[in-house]
Amino acid sequence: AQSVAQPEDQVNVAEGNPLTVKCTYSVSGNPYLFWYVQYPNRGLQFLLKYITGDNLVKGSYGFEAEFNKSQTSFHLKKPSALVSDSALYFCAAMNSGYSTLTFGKGTMLLVSP
Amino acid sequence: NAGVTQTPKFQVLKTGQSMTLQCAQDMNHNSMYWYRQDPGMGLRLIYYSASEGTTDKGEVPNGYNVSRLNKREFSLRLESAAPSQTSVYFCASSEILAGRWNEQFFGPGTRLTVL
Repeated sequence: AQSVAQPEDQVNVAEGNPLTVKCTYSVSGNPYLFWYVQYPNRGLQFLLKYITGDNLVKGSYGFEAEFNKSQTSFHLKKPSALVSDSALYFCAAMNSGYSTLTFGKGTMLLVSP
Repeated sequence: NAGVTQTPKFQVLKTGQSMTLQCAQDMNHNSMYWYRQDPGMGLRLIYYSASEGTTDKGEVPNGYNVSRLNKREFSLRLESAAPSQTSVYFCASSEILAGRWNEQFFGPGTRLTVL
């Protein structure tokens, strides 16, 4: 069975500082990994994905994520946080042979001015 | 392109009432999904349709039925609503391109309250 863990319910960071939102996964075979962001009362927006290739993936709004196969992690990062980055972030994973995603429980990112 | 649309945006039901949540996508995707989002639980898959004419249960299918009406539309029905079905419901769609699954595109959600 697939599983995704986001160990932090909330991450607090000051504007201008780097941010990291953690994600670990358990997927048999080759994983497809995704990050989504959700703003209040909105649907999920796609940020970035890892399918294959370079372990460092760049996505929307200056976000990037690093795939680490040995640690089964896919942490989301940004060099300089903005107040507007404050939102709920979801990590998701799937086995390349299946069509269904498994989501983590989400991490609330709060960026203070 | 509207992407994925859902109706209604909000709904209040009494216990035992029935309703259908509608979802449509204009991206010509083969696969469509229904999720529910509850605080602290993330998104949980209710049902999905890998292609037109097929539907399969997800993680939490009890109390729900689905219909893949055509390639564009995928509806979710609550036959006898219960307070435990109070949630935000999201529809999504995706596609395989060059043998690889692409990201899922999500609708804006339906906020359902069952009294």
